[in-house]
Amino acid sequence: GNSVTQMEGPVTLSEEAFLTINCTYTATGYPSLFWYVQYPGEGLQLLLKATKADDKGSNKGFEATYRKETTSFHLEKGSVQVSDSAVYFCALSEGSGGGADGLTFGKGTHLIIQP
Amino acid sequence: KAGVTQTPRYLIKTRGQQVTLSCSPISGHRSVSWYQQTPGQGLQFLFEYFSETQRNKGNFPGRFSGRQFSNSRSEMNVSTLELGDSALYLCASSLWPQGANEQYFGPGTRLTVT
Repeated sequence: GNSVTQMEGPVTLSEEAFLTINCTYTATGYPSLFWYVQYPGEGLQLLLKATKADDKGSNKGFEATYRKETTSFHLEKGSVQVSDSAVYFCALSEGSGGGADGLTFGKGTHLIIQP
Repeated sequence: KAGVTQTPRYLIKTRGQQVTLSCSPISGHRSVSWYQQTPGQGLQFLFEYFSETQRNKGNFPGRFSGRQFSNSRSEMNVSTLELGDSALYLCASSLWPQGANEQYFGPGTRLTVT
């Protein structure tokens, strides 16, 4: 079956540091890949997506590139802010004929940014 | 455009009772999915509805059920509640079959079973 693996953390960084959160996946087909962010007490917000190999998703200074050869979708940001503190989830969706597939999520990475 | 809304936001129930949670998708979205989030198991897919039909189901017991109405609103029901059902239940909607199945989540319903 499908699976997503990501570092769980917590990951603690200082403001303006460079961020990388690793994500690797296992899928039988050719999935779409997503990063979601969850702030305390809230639901998940879609951060970015990529649907084919070498696609780069980007939003709010975050980027991730779909690497089919390494089955990875690492999240990066050049300069983090305190407001980026949250839990980040990597996820995949693999289409099937039956209906919209449920997303398969990683365990989530708790990111803490210190001023 | 309004986001996904879920009611109620918080719920406390006793073991053995049943509960119904409600979800209204983003206008124009016809696919609605439900997820359970717990500290131990993380985010797990429950089921997905499209055009009032359950299209996909995760690995949960039959006590978990759902339905979708003609206006795309959805409800999920859990019968004979167990302590382990305490979780955040998230509803998500998408434009599937259009797009890449990017799903937009509501704020969730926090269920506590005592």
